[in-house]
Amino acid sequence: SQELEQSPQSLIVQEGKNLTINCTSSKTLYGLYWYKQKYGEGLIFLMMLQKGGEEKSHEKITAKLDEKKQQSSLHITASQPSHAGIYLCGADETGANNLFFGTGTRLTVIP
Amino acid sequence: ETGVTQTPRHLVMGMTNKKSLKCEQHLGHNAMYWYKQSAKKPLELMFVYNFKEQTENNSVPSRFSPECPNSSHLFLHLHTLQPEDSALYLCASSQELGTEHREAFFGQGTRLTVV
Repeated sequence: SQELEQSPQSLIVQEGKNLTINCTSSKTLYGLYWYKQKYGEGLIFLMMLQKGGEEKSHEKITAKLDEKKQQSSLHITASQPSHAGIYLCGADETGANNLFFGTGTRLTVIP
Repeated sequence: ETGVTQTPRHLVMGMTNKKSLKCEQHLGHNAMYWYKQSAKKPLELMFVYNFKEQTENNSVPSRFSPECPNSSHLFLHLHTLQPEDSALYLCASSQELGTEHREAFFGQGTRLTVV
């Protein structure tokens, strides 16, 4: 079955602190996608990684994909209350099938 | 604003009702998806349409019936639902299956409550 494990399940940090969220698959992935979700709303696309060893950044968020394309991390630098929400990783295995998702990491940033 | 619009945002229906969820995308995509999001579970893929053809039906009960009249519109017809079907239903679209940049863009979701 297609499974993505995310850790931690929840995270509470003080504003200004750095944090990392991990996403792991037992299979080699074709594409790895990071999304953010506010409670009860739709998912907002953050970044896509496709190449082993790839790293992308947008503002204070950096995502990396390992060389084997089985593990990804999302790192937030100097967190702000606006970063709070649920972070989900999604992936597909061949590019021709469908996106499946991890259970998410709930991030709370305390001002 | 992601370019994917879902209506209604909230829906309460009885178990004997028939209702439909609507999704519309203005991104020029050719693949559209229905996902179900329940508490403490991963997003569950329900249906996928690629160029208006259904390519995936993830063992979804027949009380959920999708319809894709064109690449911009997707419906989910609901009838005789059960209380356990209460969830957030999310629609997404992406470039067609097999293309390199296939990031999906999601609507705001419909919060469905079955009473």
